[in-house]
This record gives sequence, structure tokens and C-alpha cells, in this order.
Amino acid sequence: AQTVTQSQPEMSVQEAETVTLSCTYDTSESDYYLFWYKQPPSRQMILVIRQEAYKQQNATENRFSVNFQKAAKSFSLKISDSQLGDAAMYFCAYSGGADGLTFGKGTHLIIQP
Amino acid sequence: GAVVSQHPSRVICKSGTSVKIECRSLDFQATTMFWYRQFPKKSLMLMATSNEGSKATYEQGVEKDKFLINHASLTLSTLTVTSAHPEDSSFYICSAPLLGPVIPSTDTQYFGPGTRLTVL
Repeated sequence: AQTVTQSQPEMSVQEAETVTLSCTYDTSESDYYLFWYKQPPSRQMILVIRQEAYKQQNATENRFSVNFQKAAKSFSLKISDSQLGDAAMYFCAYSGGADGLTFGKGTHLIIQP
Repeated sequence: GAVVSQHPSRVICKSGTSVKIECRSLDFQATTMFWYRQFPKKSLMLMATSNEGSKATYEQGVEKDKFLINHASLTLSTLTVTSAHPEDSSFYICSAPLLGPVIPSTDTQYFGPGTRLTVL
């Protein structure tokens, strides 16, 4: 079974600074997808970024980028120029393709003004 | 982006009653939908996969007779919590994958806003 580990229950960063959220996973598959989802207090899950395992290039979406290390099974999220609206729970997730997602326990991100 | 709705957003019921939660994909079709459960300050746990035209598949430890799933059409899946008890109180979230040659492409799941169930 696949597992996803987020070892940082909570992270705090000053507004406008950069923060990196860690995620590691375990799988025996070679093709899979990785995601970062954001869950604000409204509890609506919002896709932040996705990465296909077969792609070596790290995904980027504006201020959000990932560092995908397939051999190390690591998938960290970097948020640049942090904004107050980035405050939320961030979940790392794994999918084998047509499967449901396996989530990590989440990291609570606090943005200090 | 793709939109998934859930109804109701919040429900309070008495112990022993059944509650139905609807999940709809509003602007795309979904042959598969997923149901998750989230306890307070916890992560999402996959409960089951809803398959249009066939039986749902349940994750280990999830009672299929307690959590009835019906995928009536390509845009609607329902989760019925039967004979609900206080321990069934939770936040239930559905998701649907967006298929086809669109951006973002397959295997990206879009989530409904969730349903908070409170069983008294």
C-alpha cells in the first residue's frame, strides 16, 4: 500500500518570505501522480500543483513550485513571496492513476504579517 | 476549472436515521467519483470509489452496508449513511476526476465543498 508522510505538523513564515513544505511517499509503482492540495478554513480542497512521476521537470504554478526527487521519493512544495491568503492546511497526496488519493496528515501553514 | 457540488452542506440528524448526501459534477461527466471522510484536524481518508453503472468498491474497514453508494448517472453519486450513530459524525467530501484532453488533464481530482454530518 502507498503511504504519504508529512513530517511538519505546522510551519510559520513571515509574509513575503519563502517556505518549503516537506512530503515523502512510498510506492512500488513507477507511474503515478503527486499533488499538493490546500484546505483553507472553509474546508474546500483546492488543487495547488500536480506532478506526473514520468516527468523529470519540476512543476511550477506562479509562486508555487515543487522539488520532485523520484529516487528519494520526495515531493516538497516551495511557496515564494508568501501571502496572507496562503494560510491553510496543505496536504500532499498520491494517486496511482484511476485511484482515489492517499493523503498525508497535512501541514498547517501560518503566515505572520 | 471543473466544479463539483455537494448537498447538503450541513445536516443534523437523530441517531438511527439515514442521511443521503449528493455529489454532482456540474460541468463534466465522471464515471468514477470518490468519497472521503475527514475528522476534525485530521487528514482525508478514502472511503470508497463510486462507479457509474456498477457496484462501489470500498476501502478496507469501511462498512458497505452502513455507507451505501449509488452512482445514478455520469454526474451524480450519492452516499447514504444508514442508521446513523454519533460516531458517524464527520465531514464527508466527494471528488471527481476530470477526464479528457483538457488542461489540467486526467487524474486531477476536483473536490466538492463537503458535508458536515452531526448525529445526535
